[in-house]
Amino acid sequence: ETGVTQTPRHLVMGMTNKKSLKCEQHLGHNAMYWYKQSAKKPLELMFVYSLEERVENNSVPSRFSPECPNSSHLFLHLHTLQPEDSALYLCASSQDWWGNYGYTFGSGTRLTVV
Amino acid sequence: AQTVTQSQPEMSVQEAETVTLSCTYDTSESDYYLFWYKQPPSRQMILVIRQEAYKQQNATENRFSVNFQKAAKSFSLKISDSQLGDAAMYFCAYRSAVNGGSQGNLIFGKGTKLSVKP
Repeated sequence: ETGVTQTPRHLVMGMTNKKSLKCEQHLGHNAMYWYKQSAKKPLELMFVYSLEERVENNSVPSRFSPECPNSSHLFLHLHTLQPEDSALYLCASSQDWWGNYGYTFGSGTRLTVV
Repeated sequence: AQTVTQSQPEMSVQEAETVTLSCTYDTSESDYYLFWYKQPPSRQMILVIRQEAYKQQNATENRFSVNFQKAAKSFSLKISDSQLGDAAMYFCAYRSAVNGGSQGNLIFGKGTKLSVKP
């Protein structure tokens, strides 16, 4: 296993549903991230948490709501999504606060909004 | 704003041969980090190699090496003795070394899909 675990692996949800993506790391890392990967587009940073405190929100719509209850767990709560939100959502963690040594990624959640 | 460009959407290499993937970037900063990540069909992004811009020496990790040309803002990845397991999407990424700036903002290229022929 990679050290960063994401569940579920696949998720299909209607536009009126509420669901949550889960990420956990047991690497002792200090920062965690949510990225969105859409077809034919570069990865987009959504949220950064450093020591459980959110430090960046890249103008992400409010229908995406992150939660970091402790340094090992990160959630992305989803509600009233749009079909264009269908994508691969990747969680990552880094040992240092700045990620200068690279990130450890999970295998992602493939989200389909119908 | 910094940008990362991978001009080769797809590449192909024969097993045991060598292939080079291109990456260029645009920045006005002098200190930064560059990365190559591999994303196989399993979807997990795996760090392949990391380069610090202030270091002249090109980074090497086993069969993977980079050709870092700072003046040209070029950061190509060379894979030697290609193996079937090297088949994947490869992403080039840039990160400013100015701590206190946009934390966690790894800027990725669009990727190059590498196929390895047996």
